[in-house]
Amino acid sequence: KAGVTQTPRYLIKTRGQQVTLSCSPISGHRSVSWYQQTPGQGLQFLFEYFSETQRNKGNFPGRFSGRQFSNSRSEMNVSTLELGDSALYLCASRQTGAPETQYFGPGTRLLVL
Amino acid sequence: KNEVEQSPQNLTAQEGEFITINCSYSVGISALHWLQQHPGGGIVSLFMLSSGKKKHGRLIATINIQEKHSSLHITASHPRDSAVYICAVDGGSNYKLTFGKGTLLTVNP
Repeated sequence: KAGVTQTPRYLIKTRGQQVTLSCSPISGHRSVSWYQQTPGQGLQFLFEYFSETQRNKGNFPGRFSGRQFSNSRSEMNVSTLELGDSALYLCASRQTGAPETQYFGPGTRLLVL
Repeated sequence: KNEVEQSPQNLTAQEGEFITINCSYSVGISALHWLQQHPGGGIVSLFMLSSGKKKHGRLIATINIQEKHSSLHITASHPRDSAVYICAVDGGSNYKLTFGKGTLLTVNP
């Protein structure tokens, strides 16, 4: 089976712009979670989707949003980018979302100038 | 206080040494994950535990639910074990992982 894929892998944006990141989970996995990783804060939970429904959202401003499609692919969007949004954005998939192993994608590295 | 505390933050060892990384948490959990992250970003799941002990090759993970503590052990460490090891607790019904800050392990030949 192919692993979790994320596109794009690298992205440079300027303040005020918006960005959309994509995540394709492992085939058959219906739960997709998104995480932000920065040197200062480490890994932080953004949101989790299952069967197109957001089941939980982390403590991030409303500029961060996401969605999941019927084929389980997920996108996250950040509007009005700030310098502090520069980070590695990781998605992870698992079959149901119950406590089980998560499989991580390679991440999208976003730099905001 | 963070919900998930790891120690040590940094660890340097000589090849062949026995390594222990500790994780303490303060919230109720359904499971605990140990993750490995190599330079460049890729994260690999090593273990998921809800009780007892698991072993995979030279890696052993244990968890004590009553004490809210888990340990990751590496026997006969090797330079290729050099990575960041991250503990994460799974809240279960909230579908959320909460992470420790990670332990940077460097194994010298």
